[in-house]
Amino acid sequence: SQKIEQNSEALNIQEGKTATLTCNYTNYSPAYLQWYRQDPGRGPVFLLLIRENEKEKRKERLKVTFDTTLKQSLFHITASQPADSATYLCALDMKNNDMRFGAGTRLTVKP
Amino acid sequence: GAVVSQHPSRVICKSGTSVKIECRSLDFQATTMFWYRQFPKQSLMLMATSNEGSKATYEQGVEKDKFLINHASLTLSTLTVTSAHPEDSSFYICSARVRTPDGYTFGSGTRLTVV
Repeated sequence: SQKIEQNSEALNIQEGKTATLTCNYTNYSPAYLQWYRQDPGRGPVFLLLIRENEKEKRKERLKVTFDTTLKQSLFHITASQPADSATYLCALDMKNNDMRFGAGTRLTVKP
Repeated sequence: GAVVSQHPSRVICKSGTSVKIECRSLDFQATTMFWYRQFPKQSLMLMATSNEGSKATYEQGVEKDKFLINHASLTLSTLTVTSAHPEDSSFYICSARVRTPDGYTFGSGTRLTVV
């Protein structure tokens, strides 16, 4: 069966540390993988997109890796801040515009 | 950047009534919009894909007669929940994107409560 799994429902880290979130999938062949941030009661906000032929992408304090052999993406937030506290969703972007989301990881950064 | 405006943000309705949710792309034309439903602590579940000028495509298990989608223009898509019941209470979100590949722009969501 097709599954998208984000490593944990919740992750708590100390301010200044690097947060690492994992997204694993089975029986999908995404052309792209995307990461979104969602705050309570709000719609998701797009953060980064990585293509199937890209290994790594960076944007400011964010870094995403994509391993199509392992069927895994890692999402890193370096020098984390309390303002980074939110739920982070990974999404598989198939070639036919079909998008499938993981359930998300709720990140809490403690001061 | 691209903006999708969604209204209303919250609505409470009585069981058996209908509710319309609007999504507008403010600074781009969206030939396709996507409608999602999200239950607490769960993933976004795609309900249907709305195509301008044609019928929407519904995901398996989503009743098209209950969730009416209209995409009459390149900037407006609506979702009408007909004869709403308490189990329809959820967070409904729309999205669209300017180009492929690119991130999707989401509306701010509509919290529907059916009493």
